[in-house]
Amino acid sequence: DTEVTQTPKHLVMGMTNKKSLKCEQHMGHRAMYWYKQKAKKPPELMFVYSYEKLSINESVPSRFSPECPNSSLLNLHLHALQPEDSALYLCASSQGVARVYEQYFGPGTRLTVT
Amino acid sequence: GQQVMQIPQYQHVQEGEDFTTYCNSSTTLSNIQWYKQRPGGHPVFLIQLVKSGEVKKQKRLTFQFGEAKKNSSLHITATQTTDVGTYFCAGNASSNTGKLIFGQGTTLQVKP
Repeated sequence: DTEVTQTPKHLVMGMTNKKSLKCEQHMGHRAMYWYKQKAKKPPELMFVYSYEKLSINESVPSRFSPECPNSSLLNLHLHALQPEDSALYLCASSQGVARVYEQYFGPGTRLTVT
Repeated sequence: GQQVMQIPQYQHVQEGEDFTTYCNSSTTLSNIQWYKQRPGGHPVFLIQLVKSGEVKKQKRLTFQFGEAKKNSSLHITATQTTDVGTYFCAGNASSNTGKLIFGQGTTLQVKP
């Protein structure tokens, strides 16, 4: 199984809402990533988890809160977002970070903040 | 900080024509990866190049890594409509972080 799944596919939320994005992989990968992608732009790294520990936070605002409950799951908790946070949020996984491995991306959650 | 520049931004070709996209890094890369993102889809890994001067082929796709490990190219021979999408190169800033620096991407349109 080389699939990364993400839920929900689409999400519309108001600026006062709290919501969560979920990501799951069953490839035994020990590194997981959150990316944000705006239209016609490359993916922009937000967070990296390695062995369930946060290893990189790319100065992401605190209204985005990642969580890695176990090696297969990755969540992104959203609170008090702004309209400019509307984007495609991609989760990815790789075997690890000690070497350079290919990253497997999920289909993404298209988020609209109203 | 490290940057990866990719050109052209857009390319429209007639089906059967060739296509090339180029990546240049401001610093030496330990490796470079290429991804393809179809319209409405997500990035899909194509290949990774590690060695200086490396050339790899996948059917009609040829990938090259420069001798100085600061540039790379993807060449598609005889494009097909299935080649439509955005091609991203992604360089590795440091070999033990997992962090990729993505180029801006080249969007390929193929006219049948």
